[in-house]
Amino acid sequence: GENVEQHPSTLSVQEGDSAVIKCTYSDSASNYFPWYKQELGKRPQLIIDIRSNVGEKKDQRIAVTLNKTAKHFSLHITETQPEDSAVYFCAASKYGASYGKLTFGQGTILTVHP
Amino acid sequence: SAVISQKPSRDICQRGTSLTIQCQVDSQVTMMFWYRQQPGQSLTLIATANQGSEATYESGFVIDKFPISRPNLTFSTLTVSNMSPEDSSIYLCSVPAGGYRNEQFFGPGTRLTVL
Repeated sequence: GENVEQHPSTLSVQEGDSAVIKCTYSDSASNYFPWYKQELGKRPQLIIDIRSNVGEKKDQRIAVTLNKTAKHFSLHITETQPEDSAVYFCAASKYGASYGKLTFGQGTILTVHP
Repeated sequence: SAVISQKPSRDICQRGTSLTIQCQVDSQVTMMFWYRQQPGQSLTLIATANQGSEATYESGFVIDKFPISRPNLTFSTLTVSNMSPEDSSIYLCSVPAGGYRNEQFFGPGTRLTVL
């Protein structure tokens, strides 16, 4: 089955800096890659996603890049703010979330210091 | 996005007992998923609940331990049977956005503590 590795496990940055979280996946048939943000005691919230036919997607301060050949994808957060502090999970799916299961990475605890 | 609710939001149970968790969605969905999130860990898929057919379980999860019901297109239950402290986790249901959208949304979760 699919295996998703996520790095780093913890990331500490100063407010205004950029943060990058990286994930690799094992199944070349995976074609949908979402990122979730989970604040303490709350449910995971989808923040951005990318499909395998796209190399990069951006939404304001958040961007995701995908390298299908290398089977890795990354989350980039620019101009970080204290409210970006949370646990971030990457995931991979074979068919798209409507039809298939999500395999999650281990998570990254992001701390943004004011 | 779909409005998803879960009951109970949290519970403390004794070893050897069972707990049934309910997931209600405000729109009809063909598939519902049940995940487990152990303390400080990532999310792991337990099973896929399909209306009108048996649930599909992932490796490491069995129907006797986690029976699932899916009586209609807006509701599902997950039972955690014969609980042990190792079952202490957050249990979340999720549903797809539907249509041509790939997004999957999560319920608020049920925090289970087994003593």
